[in-house]
Amino acid sequence: GAVVSQHPSWVICKSGTSVKIECRSLDFQATTMFWYRQFPKQSLMLMATSNEGSKATYEQGVEKDKFLINHASLTLSTLTVTSAHPEDSSFYICSASVIGGQFFGPGTRLTVL
Amino acid sequence: DAKTTQPTSMDCAEGRAANLPCNHSTISGNEYVYWYRQIHSQGPQYIIHGLKNNETNEMASLIITEDRKSSTLILPHATLRDTAVYYCIVRVDNRDDKIIFGKGTRLHILP
Repeated sequence: GAVVSQHPSWVICKSGTSVKIECRSLDFQATTMFWYRQFPKQSLMLMATSNEGSKATYEQGVEKDKFLINHASLTLSTLTVTSAHPEDSSFYICSASVIGGQFFGPGTRLTVL
Repeated sequence: DAKTTQPTSMDCAEGRAANLPCNHSTISGNEYVYWYRQIHSQGPQYIIHGLKNNETNEMASLIITEDRKSSTLILPHATLRDTAVYYCIVRVDNRDDKIIFGKGTRLHILP
């Protein structure tokens, strides 16, 4: 099946700093990628839809200036959490679409101190 | 809004078949039933999907009722590694369409 990777798998940062998370489709090209956030014991919450070469579409309630998404190529989308605060600590998961389905990355655990 | 209803949690003995139900009474004619699962601290994993016929792959079987208002995911011989949250999702078969997750069913496989 299609493989999606994320980097880093976990990150700890200080409050006020920015953190970039990468999502790559390893063996296929994805014009559309998705970013989700998951808090402990909760379901995945869709944050935004990332389209190659165009601006991301954010879900209601997600601050686009705080969660910057760049989808510069058909195999890479990045999510930057700007001026991170402890309440941004969460599990961030990306997915990529391909004929045959949507495949998810392993997730990135962000802890903001 | 959630399009599916699933039990919050279920238990199943190791080696037995795990049958996970899902209600989707408002499913549209062009919507498929998808199943994903999420093992703790990992990304969701695709299991199976179907439109109206029953489907089987190496992981599971999907049984969809004739009126398509409900379905059952069957793991034929559950193992401890099948302990996970299972999500039933209805969506059109468009690869660029977003997936909205409900709360899923937390399946515990008991030794």
